[in-house]
Amino acid sequence: DAGVTQSPTHLIKTRGQQVTLRCSPISGHKSVSWYQQVLGQGPQFIFQYYEKEERGRGNFPDRFSARQFPNYSSELNVNALLLGDSALYLCASSLQRGITDTQYFGPGTRLTVL
Amino acid sequence: RKEVEQDPGPFNVPEGATVAFNCTYSNSASQSFFWYRQDCRKEPKLLMSVYSSGNEDGRFTAQLNRASQYISLLIRDSKLSDSATYLCVAQTGANNLFFGTGTRLTVIP
Repeated sequence: DAGVTQSPTHLIKTRGQQVTLRCSPISGHKSVSWYQQVLGQGPQFIFQYYEKEERGRGNFPDRFSARQFPNYSSELNVNALLLGDSALYLCASSLQRGITDTQYFGPGTRLTVL
Repeated sequence: RKEVEQDPGPFNVPEGATVAFNCTYSNSASQSFFWYRQDCRKEPKLLMSVYSSGNEDGRFTAQLNRASQYISLLIRDSKLSDSATYLCVAQTGANNLFFGTGTRLTVIP
């Protein structure tokens, strides 16, 4: 079975640009969460989407936005990129959004902002 | 204060050694707890869930102390393949995971 997929795998942008990252969850999974992992730190929660609605949001500025499509895939958008946005962006999917639903992570998109 | 705090290490241990990792969480409303393993430049993968009664999976044992808000992971008979970063995770609310910084383990031949 295919796991969580993310694209692109790597991306280089310059300050002020905008970026869109994509995620396809495991087939049958309805919940997608996004995390940012800065080098040397653990992943930090950005958003959770379930049934195409935002269900949770971490402590990130409004430059970060996301959406979920009818097929449960998701996009994360970051506007006005800053150097500090350089990180590994991880997408995780789970069957539902309950506390017993294990989250499975994709390989991530490594974003470098110059 | 961070939601989850753990010693970043590094822990360098010889093959066959027993090693223990600890972490604490600050939100008493946290409902579920996990250990994830992350290899260099890879995504985190679930190692095991952590229950108050303690749970064991082969060489790995996890424990939760809700009164002290403390989670532990014990690895017995360390293998070279255990070298990785181990992430302590607390789940609060609807499936929102809070990760610690991670503890780096290197098992030396």
